[in-house]
Amino acid sequence: EDQVTQSPEALRLQEGESSSLNCSYTVSGLRGLFWYRQDPGKGPEFLFTLYSAGEEKEKERLKATLTKKESFLHITAPKPEDSATYLCAVQARGSSNTGKLIFGQGTTLQVKP
Amino acid sequence: ETGVTQSPTHLIKTRGQQVTLRCSSQSGHNTVSWYQQALGQGPQFIFQYYREEENGRGNFPPRFSGLQFPNYSSELNVNALELDDSALYLCASSKNRGTNEKLFFGSGTQLSVL
Repeated sequence: EDQVTQSPEALRLQEGESSSLNCSYTVSGLRGLFWYRQDPGKGPEFLFTLYSAGEEKEKERLKATLTKKESFLHITAPKPEDSATYLCAVQARGSSNTGKLIFGQGTTLQVKP
Repeated sequence: ETGVTQSPTHLIKTRGQQVTLRCSSQSGHNTVSWYQQALGQGPQFIFQYYREEENGRGNFPPRFSGLQFPNYSSELNVNALELDDSALYLCASSKNRGTNEKLFFGSGTQLSVL
């Protein structure tokens, strides 16, 4: 069964304290791995898509990496505005025409000033 | 460019009732997906509509049904509501179905079933 597990469930950081969020996945043929950010009371907002092991993408203080079994979202020198829930999702090859994404439960990040 | 809009934002229903949720897709998008997000969980795929046809379905019973209209807006209908249907219902649109299309989510409809 295709599955996504994120850790930790919650993370508290001081402003400027870098860290990483983990996304472990099992899927019958990875088509793509996605990272989304979700603020309270809002829908998820797209951050990155990764397609193959070894790929990396960056946006401001965020960097996403991918291996054959997991993905990391590295947050460098975070600011309070980075506080949100970060969701990881995978698309399996068998679902590539349906758009079905399998999401993890998310990591809730709180950055204190 | 208008984003994805959902209505209503909040809804309270009682067990056994029926509910209709609405979604207007982003301009230029022909595909709409619906997700259910329980409190503290990630979204779960309900189904996707592409050019007015159901294009894929997750593990949800037939009492969850949908429609897509010629202007690509969409409805999610849930019959015989159960307490476990209480959740945030998210609509997402994309330029085309399937492969690695970036999803644009609305802010959701918070459904409470009493």
